[in-house]
Amino acid sequence: DAGVIQSPRHEVTEMGQEVTLRCKPISGHNSLFWYRQTMMRGLELLIYFNNNVPIDDSGMPEDRFSAKMPNASFSTLKIQPSEPRDSAVYFCASSSRGGLPRETQYFGPGTRLLVL
Amino acid sequence: DQQVKQNSPSLSVQEGRISILNCDYTNSMFDYFLWYKKYPAEGPTFLISISSIKDKNEDGRFTVFLNKSAKHLSLHIVPSQPGDSAVYFCAASGIGSARQLTFGSGTQLTVLP
Repeated sequence: DAGVIQSPRHEVTEMGQEVTLRCKPISGHNSLFWYRQTMMRGLELLIYFNNNVPIDDSGMPEDRFSAKMPNASFSTLKIQPSEPRDSAVYFCASSSRGGLPRETQYFGPGTRLLVL
Repeated sequence: DQQVKQNSPSLSVQEGRISILNCDYTNSMFDYFLWYKKYPAEGPTFLISISSIKDKNEDGRFTVFLNKSAKHLSLHIVPSQPGDSAVYFCAASGIGSARQLTFGSGTQLTVLP
């Protein structure tokens, strides 16, 4: 079992550039979550999808952030334009049943983003 | 406003001794609590959970205690091993607006050989 796959693992970009993070959930899982980890705020939920449909995006910090899930095996998180304060580790996670918190979420290895 | 707080960013413990990691929460809607463990360059992995109908849950060397009146939970690791060195995240969820997981900021545990 490959687990949750994220790419790239590291991204360094300049302020103002567009950044796209990618995630492939575990096959058969129908819920997908995007989190951001910072030193100050820990792990924050940005958005989650159930059956490819965005359910709650209240954690998305601002309009510069957008996420899509065009099919059950792929999701993207896009930041346009990027700013230095977006520097963080971004995690994708998936779970198998309806996104209920009682269902264990499986996390990918994360994408470490640095915006200069 | 952080609803789940881990006030100790780091903890060092001698191998074989007990590690106690603490977590406080403020949202009364939380009724399910989890601990995740994270190694460097990896994503968090689920460790143990507890429902609010219990005050203790044990799994091998790991025990989670819940004190609902104090809105406090703790993770005990006995005995601690060097392989336990990691960042530990406390998380909580509940009903309604608290449905999704809310994580604390994490505690770095270092178990010294």
